[in-house]
Amino acid sequence: SQKIEQNSEALNIQEGKTATLTCNYTNYSPAYLQWYRQDPGRGPVFLLLIRENEKEKRKERLKVTFDTTLKQSLFHITASQPADSATYLCALMEYGNKLVFGAGTILRVKS
Amino acid sequence: KAGVTQTPRYLIKTRGQQVTLSCSPISGHRSVSWYQQTPGQGLQFLFEYFSETQRNKGNFPGRFSGRQFSNSRSEMNVSTLELGDSALYLCASSLGQALGALHFGNGTRLTVT
Repeated sequence: SQKIEQNSEALNIQEGKTATLTCNYTNYSPAYLQWYRQDPGRGPVFLLLIRENEKEKRKERLKVTFDTTLKQSLFHITASQPADSATYLCALMEYGNKLVFGAGTILRVKS
Repeated sequence: KAGVTQTPRYLIKTRGQQVTLSCSPISGHRSVSWYQQTPGQGLQFLFEYFSETQRNKGNFPGRFSGRQFSNSRSEMNVSTLELGDSALYLCASSLGQALGALHFGNGTRLTVT
C-alpha cells in the first residue's frame, strides 16, 4: 500500500543547531514533493517544492533534498530558532492537483 | 492580497444534522481543495474543484459533497453527521496548475456531539 512516513516522535533541538526532518514514501512515483509548516490552530503554510530531477533546493535557512532511489526527502533548518517550532508536513503530488500529506513531525527548538 | 478565508471558524453540531462550510479562495485562484485533519489520520484529501467542476475526489463517503461557484468560492456539505466527522476542515486554493503550492485557510473546527 502507499505510505508517506515522517518521524512520529517530536524532534527537540537546541537553538542554533540544525534540525533534520525525514520524509519516506513507498509505492509512489511523485513528480515532486512539497514541505509545509503548520502552527497550532492554523492551516499549513507552503515552504518549498522540489522536483524529482532536483537533488537539492535551498531557501534562506531551509534546505530540502530529494532522493528518488531511496524514496526519501530530508528537510533541514540551519541555525534553528524557537520561532521555528511547529509541525512540518511533507506532501507528494499523487495525480492532478491531489496532494497527499504525511502525518507531520513536531519540531521544538529550545533556547 | 487577502488570504483564503473559511467560515465559520468553529461549529458544534449534533449527530444526524448536516453542516455547510464555506471557503473564499485567494483572488485569481481557480482551484479549491478540501482536506479533513484529525489527530489520528492527519490531513486527508476530500475533493478538488477547478472552474466549478470536481476534478479529483478522495475516499470519503457520499455524505461529503462540495461545489464551487463561478466566482471560485466553494462550499462543502456533510450530511447525517457522525461523531467521527469531528475534525478540522481545511480549504486550500491554488492557480490550479501542476507544481502549484496550496494556500490554506485556517480551517473550520467542527465538533459533532
